Amino acid sequence: GAVVSQHPSRVICKSGTSVKIECRSLDFQATTMFWYRQFPKQSLMLMATSNEGSKATYEQGVEKDKFLINHASLTLSTLTVTSAHPEDSSFYICSARGGGRATDTQYFGPGTRLTVL
Amino acid sequence: QQQVKQSPQSLIVQKGGISIINCAYENTAFDYFPWYQQFPGKGPALLIAIRPDVSEKKEGRFTISFNKSAKQFSLHIMDSQPGDSATYFCAASRPGANSKLTFGKGITLSVRP
Repeated sequence: GAVVSQHPSRVICKSGTSVKIECRSLDFQATTMFWYRQFPKQSLMLMATSNEGSKATYEQGVEKDKFLINHASLTLSTLTVTSAHPEDSSFYICSARGGGRATDTQYFGPGTRLTVL
Repeated sequence: QQQVKQSPQSLIVQKGGISIINCAYENTAFDYFPWYQQFPGKGPALLIAIRPDVSEKKEGRFTISFNKSAKQFSLHIMDSQPGDSATYFCAASRPGANSKLTFGKGITLSVRP
């Protein structure tokens, strides 16, 4: 199956700093990537959808200036949490959907655990 | 309004038994219904998916049953094993390149040895 990687898998940072999370599709070209946030024992909450080369579309209630998303290539998307605060601590998961495959199939990365002190 | 509803909220099954998880959806425009399996601290993994032109799809021990008229679909795990203990999410999406998945709340399955 298709493989999506995330880096780092775990990050701890101080309040006020910025953190960048990378999402890569390793064996296919991802025309669309998605970023989710998940709290303990809860479902996945879609934060934004990004298409390669264009601006991300954010879900209602998600601050675009706080969660910067860049989809610079067909295999890489990044999420930058700017001026992180303890309430931003969460599990962040990306997914990718590619052309040349069943276009509705999303493959998820392993997630990044962010802890803001 | 929750567009995809899962039931039960949690499930405990004995090893070797059949686990059945149900999902009901609201939007008749949905045309793709995947199930994802998630272990603690990991990302979800696609388990099996179905489209409404078939009523059942089987892959190994996993079967999706789809009832278009009732707007319901279910996941059956045959010969359940302790390694199947995880959280299961059903989801649905509409057609189109810009479609996005709508997830259910998830159900925790525990398979007892």
